[in-house]
Amino acid sequence: NAGVMQNPRHLVRRRGQEARLRCSPMKGHSHVYWYRQLPEEGLKFMVYLQKENIIDESGMPKERFSAEFPKEGPSILRIQQVVRGDSAAYFCASSSGLFNEQFFGPGTRLTVL
Amino acid sequence: DQQVKQNSPSLSVQEGRISILNCDYTNSMFDYFLWYKKYPAEGPTFLISISSIKDKNEDGRFTVFLNKSAKHLSLHIVPSQPGDSAVYFCAASARAGANNLFFGTGTRLTVIP
Repeated sequence: NAGVMQNPRHLVRRRGQEARLRCSPMKGHSHVYWYRQLPEEGLKFMVYLQKENIIDESGMPKERFSAEFPKEGPSILRIQQVVRGDSAAYFCASSSGLFNEQFFGPGTRLTVL
Repeated sequence: DQQVKQNSPSLSVQEGRISILNCDYTNSMFDYFLWYKKYPAEGPTFLISISSIKDKNEDGRFTVFLNKSAKHLSLHIVPSQPGDSAVYFCAASARAGANNLFFGTGTRLTVIP
């Protein structure tokens, strides 16, 4: 089953450390989206990438957050100098770009101590 | 600014009866709508979608209705089964093709055996 893969599934960081979240899209998908879900809330769009390009980063916090989707390898969501408010579930989704159906990975649950 | 709203945080239904989940949106540019189902500690799973050129789409036990003039859509599940118990998210996007999704806050459906 070549679904969307995310790792790690759980990540614990202390305040000030860096968090790196990885996402491998479904086979044949070249569009990757990152979403964040805070407790008791819906998913909020963060960034949309295609291979080597950021298409839309309107949902990304202006500081400490960055994302990339290199030519080879998974997409990476990087959070520098994490704070407690970054604790959330981060979901990656991919699509073929032809339809709107986005297929989601299992998520990475980030806990900042 | 919540552009997609699910005003019922929870819904309980007897097994075999119909479940109706509602969703409202404010952005008239939205032209594609999706429903996702989510179990705890998993990513959302795509259920069914509808384009703004239609007012109904059916897939097995799941039917989505769209009322563009009211900016309202609903998901009907009939007959409801205990395995349908999950959180259901409504999502919308503004363009056909690859684009970010705006999610509602979810409705927790419990199907009572």
